[in-house]
Amino acid sequence: GQNIDQPTEMTATEGAIVQINCTYQTSGFNGLFWYQQHAGEAPTFLSYNVLDGLEEKGRFSSFLSRSKGYSYLLLKELQMKDSASYLCAGMDSNYQLIWGAGTKLIIKP
Amino acid sequence: DAGITQSPRHKVTETGTPVTLRCHQTENHRYMYWYRQDPGHGLRLIHYSYGVKDTDKGEVSDGYSVSRSKTEDFLLTLESATSSQTSVYFCATSAGEGETDTQYFGPGTRLTVL
Repeated sequence: GQNIDQPTEMTATEGAIVQINCTYQTSGFNGLFWYQQHAGEAPTFLSYNVLDGLEEKGRFSSFLSRSKGYSYLLLKELQMKDSASYLCAGMDSNYQLIWGAGTKLIIKP
Repeated sequence: DAGITQSPRHKVTETGTPVTLRCHQTENHRYMYWYRQDPGHGLRLIHYSYGVKDTDKGEVSDGYSVSRSKTEDFLLTLESATSSQTSVYFCATSAGEGETDTQYFGPGTRLTVL
């Protein structure tokens, strides 16, 4: 079957770095997406990886290892506004997204 | 981001009544999707459309139907609402296959079935 696993909740301190892990199992693979979702709002796109390696976008970076079925989202210089849920989603061979349940990130001052 | 609106944004209805949710996009995206989001679950695909009058079922399609008569509009209908359909419903769109398959989401509709 198809499955996405990510931690339910994480806590980090303002100004620090946090890494949110995601393991995936999909029928075929057409990329790995990360979205951010603030409480009561819609998910917003953060990053897309289809090749192995690290993609950096400002304070956010995303890593993919296709051989391990593994990705992580790295958030640097954490700010209070980064408190949100982070959703990992793998795209299968039919271009359908398989979603994880999300990781709720709590930032403490 | 894609210009996507959903209506209504909130709705309370009673078991057994029909409900239609509307998604409207201004980006001329080919693909449109309806998801539901429930605590403890990832987003679950209900139905999707790959063109006008072209739709297909998703993972949790039972009890739902859709229609797409224009590129910009995608309707989700609950023929006879049940309490298990209480959820937040998100519409999403994407331009096409490949890297452009990034999905962009509407603001969501919170539906409560009493």
